[in-house]
Amino acid sequence: KNQVEQSPQSLIILEGKNCTLQCNYTVSPFSNLRWYKQDTGRGPVSLTIMTFSENTKSNGRYTATLDADTKQSSLHITASQLSDSASYICVAQTGFQKLVFGTGTRLLVSP
Amino acid sequence: NAGVMQNPRHLVRRRGQEARLRCSPMKGHSHVYWYRQLPEEGLKFMVYLQKENIIDESGMPKERFSAEFPKEGPSILRIQQVVRGDSAAYFCASSPQDRNYEQYFGPGTRLTVT
Repeated sequence: KNQVEQSPQSLIILEGKNCTLQCNYTVSPFSNLRWYKQDTGRGPVSLTIMTFSENTKSNGRYTATLDADTKQSSLHITASQLSDSASYICVAQTGFQKLVFGTGTRLLVSP
Repeated sequence: NAGVMQNPRHLVRRRGQEARLRCSPMKGHSHVYWYRQLPEEGLKFMVYLQKENIIDESGMPKERFSAEFPKEGPSILRIQQVVRGDSAAYFCASSPQDRNYEQYFGPGTRLTVT
């Protein structure tokens, strides 16, 4: 069964600190791994897309990693800002072009 | 270039009524996707359309739900005889080509069934 699991479910960090969000996926066949940011009441916004041959990809203060062997991905946020408070969603795309969404990690950056 | 637009942003319907949700993709995008997000849950794929064609409707309930993307005008997701369980946020996304490309999401329509 195609599945994406994320941890932690929620996280509170102080402004300026770093954090890492985890994602484990079980999809077959695997095509690519995406991270989205979703602000409350808004649609998801793409942060990174990685194919199986890519190990890491950065977008500003966001760095995603992918280990296709262990089927794990992480999203590292550096020097967090209040505006980083949002849900971060890990999405795996199968070779049949279906997107499988995780339930997200809810991040709160506290001043 | 305006982003994906959805309207209405909020929709309240009584049980048994019809709900009609609209999505205008980004300019130049001919592929549209509809997703549903229940409270505290992840997005779930419903249907994938190209102009005048349904490509994949495997995530859409067989009854009461339908979707279209006509040659002219927005994509429409129609829910007939709504029930309380249909209350959710419905997101539309578009891409310039098929699903291997990045999808751009609209702000969503929040449907409340009373």
